[in-house]
Amino acid sequence: AQSVTQLDSQVPVFEEAPVELRCNYSSSVSVYLFWYVQYPNQGLQLLLKYLSGSTLVKGINGFEAEFNKSQTSFHLRKPSVHISDTAEYFCAVSEVVAGNMLTFGGGTRLMVKP
Amino acid sequence: DVKVTQSSRYLVKRTGEKVFLECVQDMDHENMFWYRQDPGLGLRLIYFSYDVKMKEKGDIPEGYSVSREKKERFSLILESASTNQTSMYLCASSFGDSKEQYFGPGTRLTVT
Repeated sequence: AQSVTQLDSQVPVFEEAPVELRCNYSSSVSVYLFWYVQYPNQGLQLLLKYLSGSTLVKGINGFEAEFNKSQTSFHLRKPSVHISDTAEYFCAVSEVVAGNMLTFGGGTRLMVKP
Repeated sequence: DVKVTQSSRYLVKRTGEKVFLECVQDMDHENMFWYRQDPGLGLRLIYFSYDVKMKEKGDIPEGYSVSREKKERFSLILESASTNQTSMYLCASSFGDSKEQYFGPGTRLTVT
């Protein structure tokens, strides 16, 4: 079984500052990795995903994430945040071989301040 | 664009009532999922279905049941609602072997 830990429940940051949201996972098999974003009063939408290939993955809205297999991490970064990035961010993992299920982390609330 | 819709955005029910949450997707996806979302716990899988009339328990199925009579519709049933089922409920769907799930807007259920 796999698990996901998002190390920060809340991250406050000023507008135009860089941000990193941390995600670590645990699994005994190969995994796919995802970041989803949830804006206030909305469902989740996919931000980016790592399936294979380059470990640096670019997503929507200027976000990127890097898969680090040795550290079992998939941290999300943005060089300059906007007020509109205020949302909750979820990291998720899925085993490559078995099933269609995702295991989610607890979420990180990004609060961008003017 | 994939569209996943949920029947209600907000719902208030009394303890002991039977509650139905409906989810419909319009992209002919085989797989459908029900999660509950609670602060600090992320999303936890209640049930999922990979075909009509098929269902599998997720991590927290106790107190819930599901129904999938048509491919596009997946219902979550709370047989006798309790206050600890107050939560945000999210439905999702995915195609075939794809791991990418598409989410509905959620239903915020309050049980009083």
